Amino acid sequence: QKEVEQNSGPLSVPEGAIASLNCTYSDRGSQSFFWYRQYSGKSPELIMSIYSNGDKEDGRFTAQLNKASQYVSLLIRDSQPSDSATYLCAVHLTGGGNKLTFGTGTQLKVEL
Amino acid sequence: EPEVTQTPSHQVTQMGQEVILRCVPISNHLYFYWYRQILGQKVEFLVSFYNNEISEKSEIFDDQFSVERPDGSNFTLKIRSTKLEDSAMYFCASSDGTGIETQYFGPGTRLLVL
Repeated sequence: QKEVEQNSGPLSVPEGAIASLNCTYSDRGSQSFFWYRQYSGKSPELIMSIYSNGDKEDGRFTAQLNKASQYVSLLIRDSQPSDSATYLCAVHLTGGGNKLTFGTGTQLKVEL
Repeated sequence: EPEVTQTPSHQVTQMGQEVILRCVPISNHLYFYWYRQILGQKVEFLVSFYNNEISEKSEIFDDQFSVERPDGSNFTLKIRSTKLEDSAMYFCASSDGTGIETQYFGPGTRLLVL
């Protein structure tokens, strides 16, 4: 059973549109959730963390968490070509200590 | 802004050779991690390190792997006898240990085993 699942994409959106990225996780007891951005050949770069149900906004990014449905999403408003990257969902699973469990990532392409 | 650094950025080695990957975590952080990412695959946890000892390790982290904090700043991953399947990007990460465990990643070392 996969622990953190993401659609691999690619997800293509036009410049200026809203990109919606989704992630589901198997462990109902998970408490901490993270979105990282990874450009090709580079390391994961933290975008946002979220711990409570609801929305958390930071600039053009909004993370949404629904623990009852076991999903976390990332919305990117006013998408720019520079947002084109792979977005990784990472979760602290219950009993997993401090390690992060990553999904496979969703590739986002923002088209001019 | 403090950041995690890693050296070397690239390493090519022959199968069976030992390699040491080096990391300098963010200075006030208490937890250190190694992850790896095989080309085209997801980021996988290898090991976490706290208070000068391994706190958790994955099934990947077998006897050919070891970690060390040789001084107050460096954190190293040693692979004793490299295999072809060890070819991957290796990322070091650190977190501050305050309980909200946001992990910050270094730029990675690309290891190629021939």
